[in-house]
Amino acid sequence: NAGVTQTPKFRILKIGQSMTLQCTQDMNHNYMYWYRQDPGMGLKLIYYSVGAGITDKGEVPNGYNVSRSTTEDFPLRLELAAPSQTSVYFCASRGGQGEGYTFGSGTRLTVV
Amino acid sequence: QKEVEQNSGPLSVPEGAIASLNCTYSDRGSQSFFWYRQYSGKSPELIMFMYSNGDKEDGRFTAQLNKASQYVSLLIRDSQPSDSATYLCAVSRGGGSEKLVFGKGTKLTVNP
Repeated sequence: NAGVTQTPKFRILKIGQSMTLQCTQDMNHNYMYWYRQDPGMGLKLIYYSVGAGITDKGEVPNGYNVSRSTTEDFPLRLELAAPSQTSVYFCASRGGQGEGYTFGSGTRLTVV
Repeated sequence: QKEVEQNSGPLSVPEGAIASLNCTYSDRGSQSFFWYRQYSGKSPELIMFMYSNGDKEDGRFTAQLNKASQYVSLLIRDSQPSDSATYLCAVSRGGGSEKLVFGKGTKLTVNP
Protein backbone atom coordinates (compact mmCIF):
# COMPACT_ATOMS: atom_id res chain seq x y z
CA ASN A 1 0.00 0.00 0.00
CA ALA A 2 1.31 3.43 -0.96
CA GLY A 3 -0.99 5.26 1.51
CA VAL A 4 -1.33 8.93 0.60
CA THR A 5 0.77 10.12 -2.33
CA GLN A 6 1.41 13.78 -3.04
CA THR A 7 3.06 15.28 -6.09
CA PRO A 8 5.14 17.28 -6.69
CA LYS A 9 7.39 17.32 -3.62
CA PHE A 10 8.82 20.73 -4.42
CA ARG A 11 7.72 23.55 -6.69
CA ILE A 12 8.66 27.16 -7.33
CA LEU A 13 5.95 29.35 -8.84
CA LYS A 14 6.04 32.88 -10.05
CA ILE A 15 3.45 35.34 -8.80
CA GLY A 16 0.27 35.00 -10.81
CA GLN A 17 0.93 31.47 -12.04
CA SER A 18 -1.43 28.60 -11.34
CA MET A 19 -0.81 24.99 -10.44
CA THR A 20 -2.47 21.86 -9.16
CA LEU A 21 -1.15 19.86 -6.21
CA GLN A 22 -2.03 16.22 -6.64
CA CYS A 23 -3.14 13.88 -3.85
CA THR A 24 -4.07 10.22 -4.23
CA GLN A 25 -4.86 7.62 -1.60
CA ASP A 26 -5.27 3.88 -2.09
CA MET A 27 -6.95 3.05 1.24
CA ASN A 28 -10.51 3.63 0.03
CA HIS A 29 -10.91 6.42 2.59
CA ASN A 30 -13.93 8.67 2.20
CA TYR A 31 -12.51 11.58 4.16
CA MET A 32 -9.72 13.68 2.69
CA TYR A 33 -8.18 16.97 3.77
CA TRP A 34 -5.76 19.64 2.64
CA TYR A 35 -3.70 21.50 5.23
CA ARG A 36 -0.98 24.09 4.96
CA GLN A 37 1.82 24.50 7.47
CA ASP A 38 3.81 27.69 7.83
CA PRO A 39 7.07 27.81 9.84
CA GLY A 40 6.45 27.65 13.58
CA MET A 41 2.74 27.27 13.05
CA GLY A 42 0.36 24.39 13.31
CA LEU A 43 -1.53 23.00 10.38
CA LYS A 44 -4.38 25.07 8.99
CA LEU A 45 -7.25 23.38 7.16
CA ILE A 46 -7.80 24.63 3.60
CA TYR A 47 -10.49 22.30 2.23
CA TYR A 48 -11.89 18.92 3.04
CA SER A 49 -14.09 16.26 1.49
CA VAL A 50 -16.31 13.63 3.11
CA GLY A 51 -16.74 11.66 -0.09
CA ALA A 52 -16.65 11.78 -3.87
CA GLY A 53 -18.50 14.83 -5.15
CA ILE A 54 -18.63 16.54 -1.72
CA THR A 55 -16.20 19.26 -0.69
CA ASP A 56 -16.27 22.09 1.82
CA LYS A 57 -14.15 25.01 2.94
CA GLY A 58 -11.86 24.88 5.92
CA GLU A 59 -10.28 27.70 7.87
CA VAL A 60 -8.13 29.24 5.10
CA PRO A 61 -9.76 28.52 1.68
CA ASN A 62 -9.11 31.83 -0.09
CA GLY A 63 -6.98 31.45 -3.20
CA TYR A 64 -7.58 27.71 -3.47
CA ASN A 65 -10.05 25.34 -5.08
CA VAL A 66 -10.61 21.61 -4.88
CA SER A 67 -12.54 18.87 -6.60
CA ARG A 68 -13.31 15.27 -5.66
CA SER A 69 -14.49 13.32 -8.68
CA THR A 70 -13.26 9.96 -7.35
CA THR A 71 -12.69 8.45 -3.91
CA GLU A 72 -8.95 8.21 -4.58
CA ASP A 73 -8.08 11.71 -5.81
CA PHE A 74 -8.35 15.09 -4.14
CA PRO A 75 -6.38 17.73 -6.10
CA LEU A 76 -5.81 21.24 -4.78
CA ARG A 77 -5.78 24.06 -7.30
CA LEU A 78 -3.94 27.34 -6.73
CA GLU A 79 -5.10 30.17 -8.94
CA LEU A 80 -3.03 33.35 -9.31
CA ALA A 81 -0.29 32.35 -6.91
CA ALA A 82 0.74 34.92 -4.30
CA PRO A 83 3.78 35.03 -1.96
CA SER A 84 1.40 34.42 0.97
CA GLN A 85 0.81 30.93 -0.43
CA THR A 86 4.43 29.96 0.15
CA SER A 87 4.04 27.05 2.54
CA VAL A 88 4.21 23.30 2.96
CA TYR A 89 1.00 21.60 1.89
CA PHE A 90 -0.13 18.31 3.36
CA CYS A 91 -2.88 16.09 2.09
CA ALA A 92 -4.40 13.61 4.54
CA SER A 93 -7.07 10.95 4.55
CA ARG A 94 -9.06 9.16 7.22
CA GLY A 95 -11.01 5.96 7.32
CA GLY A 96 -13.74 5.59 9.92
CA GLN A 97 -15.01 8.03 12.51
CA GLY A 98 -12.57 8.80 15.28
CA GLU A 99 -9.58 7.46 13.40
CA GLY A 100 -6.43 9.53 13.01
CA TYR A 101 -5.29 10.96 9.73
CA THR A 102 -2.76 9.43 7.39
CA PHE A 103 -0.67 12.20 5.89
CA GLY A 104 1.11 12.42 2.57
CA SER A 105 4.76 13.44 2.44
CA GLY A 106 3.94 17.05 1.64
CA THR A 107 4.56 19.58 -1.13
CA ARG A 108 6.92 22.45 -0.43
CA LEU A 109 5.73 25.42 -2.49
CA THR A 110 7.57 28.69 -2.93
CA VAL A 111 5.97 31.64 -4.71
CA VAL A 112 8.43 34.28 -5.92
CA GLN B 1 -12.46 30.29 16.58
CA LYS B 2 -11.74 26.94 18.15
CA GLU B 3 -8.20 26.91 19.50
CA VAL B 4 -5.66 24.39 20.63
CA GLU B 5 -2.80 25.73 22.72
CA GLN B 6 0.47 23.99 23.43
CA ASN B 7 3.37 25.02 25.65
CA SER B 8 5.57 26.95 23.30
CA GLY B 9 8.86 25.23 24.06
CA PRO B 10 11.37 24.41 22.91
CA LEU B 11 11.63 21.68 25.51
CA SER B 12 14.99 20.14 26.20
CA VAL B 13 15.48 17.03 28.36
CA PRO B 14 18.41 14.70 28.96
CA GLU B 15 18.35 11.18 27.61
CA GLY B 16 16.48 8.85 29.93
CA ALA B 17 14.36 11.60 31.48
CA ILE B 18 10.59 12.05 31.28
CA ALA B 19 9.37 14.60 28.75
CA SER B 20 6.02 16.21 29.53
CA LEU B 21 4.02 17.89 26.78
CA ASN B 22 0.82 19.79 27.48
CA CYS B 23 -2.15 20.93 25.44
CA THR B 24 -5.36 22.81 26.22
CA TYR B 25 -8.35 23.27 23.95
CA SER B 26 -11.20 25.75 23.90
CA ASP B 27 -14.05 23.73 22.32
CA ARG B 28 -15.97 21.88 25.03
CA GLY B 29 -17.63 19.83 22.31
CA SER B 30 -14.35 18.17 21.34
CA GLN B 31 -14.67 14.40 21.16
CA SER B 32 -11.37 13.03 19.84
CA PHE B 33 -7.84 13.89 20.84
CA PHE B 34 -4.65 13.09 19.00
CA TRP B 35 -0.90 13.43 19.39
CA TYR B 36 1.24 13.55 16.28
CA ARG B 37 5.01 13.51 16.01
CA GLN B 38 6.66 15.46 13.22
CA TYR B 39 10.34 15.15 12.43
CA SER B 40 11.96 18.11 10.72
CA GLY B 41 11.03 18.19 7.05
CA LYS B 42 8.66 15.25 7.36
CA SER B 43 4.92 14.79 7.61
CA PRO B 44 3.09 14.28 10.91
CA GLU B 45 2.65 10.71 12.11
CA LEU B 46 0.04 9.59 14.61
CA ILE B 47 1.41 8.31 17.91
CA MET B 48 -1.54 8.39 20.31
CA PHE B 49 -5.28 9.04 20.31
CA MET B 50 -7.92 9.22 23.03
CA TYR B 51 -11.66 9.59 23.32
CA SER B 52 -12.29 9.12 27.06
CA ASN B 53 -11.02 10.71 30.22
CA GLY B 54 -8.08 9.05 31.89
CA ASP B 55 -4.74 7.65 30.89
CA LYS B 56 -3.70 5.63 27.88
CA GLU B 57 -0.33 3.93 27.68
CA ASP B 58 1.53 2.69 24.62
CA GLY B 59 5.09 1.63 25.30
CA ARG B 60 7.03 4.64 26.55
CA PHE B 61 4.17 7.01 25.75
CA THR B 62 1.31 7.89 28.10
CA ALA B 63 -1.47 10.24 27.06
CA GLN B 64 -3.76 11.81 29.65
CA LEU B 65 -7.12 13.44 29.00
CA ASN B 66 -9.19 15.58 31.35
CA LYS B 67 -12.27 16.88 29.56
CA ALA B 68 -13.48 18.89 32.55
CA SER B 69 -10.24 20.88 32.51
CA GLN B 70 -10.02 20.74 28.69
CA TYR B 71 -6.50 19.45 29.02
CA VAL B 72 -4.49 16.79 27.22
CA SER B 73 -0.95 15.75 27.97
CA LEU B 74 1.67 13.40 26.61
CA LEU B 75 4.42 11.88 28.74
CA ILE B 76 7.43 10.26 27.15
CA ARG B 77 9.35 8.04 29.57
CA ASP B 78 13.00 7.10 29.13
CA SER B 79 13.36 9.76 26.43
CA GLN B 80 15.68 8.90 23.57
CA PRO B 81 17.48 11.17 21.09
CA SER B 82 15.22 9.65 18.42
CA ASP B 83 12.26 11.26 20.23
CA SER B 84 13.59 14.68 19.22
CA ALA B 85 10.81 16.12 17.07
CA THR B 86 7.90 18.52 17.15
CA TYR B 87 4.80 17.14 18.87
CA LEU B 88 1.44 18.33 17.61
CA CYS B 89 -1.73 18.15 19.64
CA ALA B 90 -4.97 17.93 17.63
CA VAL B 91 -8.62 17.77 18.61
CA SER B 92 -11.81 17.04 16.73
CA ARG B 93 -15.41 17.87 17.44
CA GLY B 94 -16.51 14.88 15.44
CA GLY B 95 -19.86 15.31 13.72
CA GLY B 96 -19.00 13.51 10.52
CA SER B 97 -16.33 15.66 8.91
CA GLU B 98 -13.91 14.96 11.78
CA LYS B 99 -11.90 18.05 11.00
CA LEU B 100 -8.82 18.23 13.18
CA VAL B 101 -7.73 21.50 14.78
CA PHE B 102 -4.00 21.48 15.46
CA GLY B 103 -1.89 23.31 17.99
CA LYS B 104 1.32 24.98 16.90
CA GLY B 105 3.40 22.15 18.31
CA THR B 106 6.10 21.80 20.93
CA LYS B 107 9.64 21.12 19.77
CA LEU B 108 11.34 18.51 21.93
CA THR B 109 15.09 17.95 22.00
CA VAL B 110 16.50 14.96 23.86
CA ASN B 111 20.17 15.45 24.63
CA PRO B 112 22.47 12.38 24.73
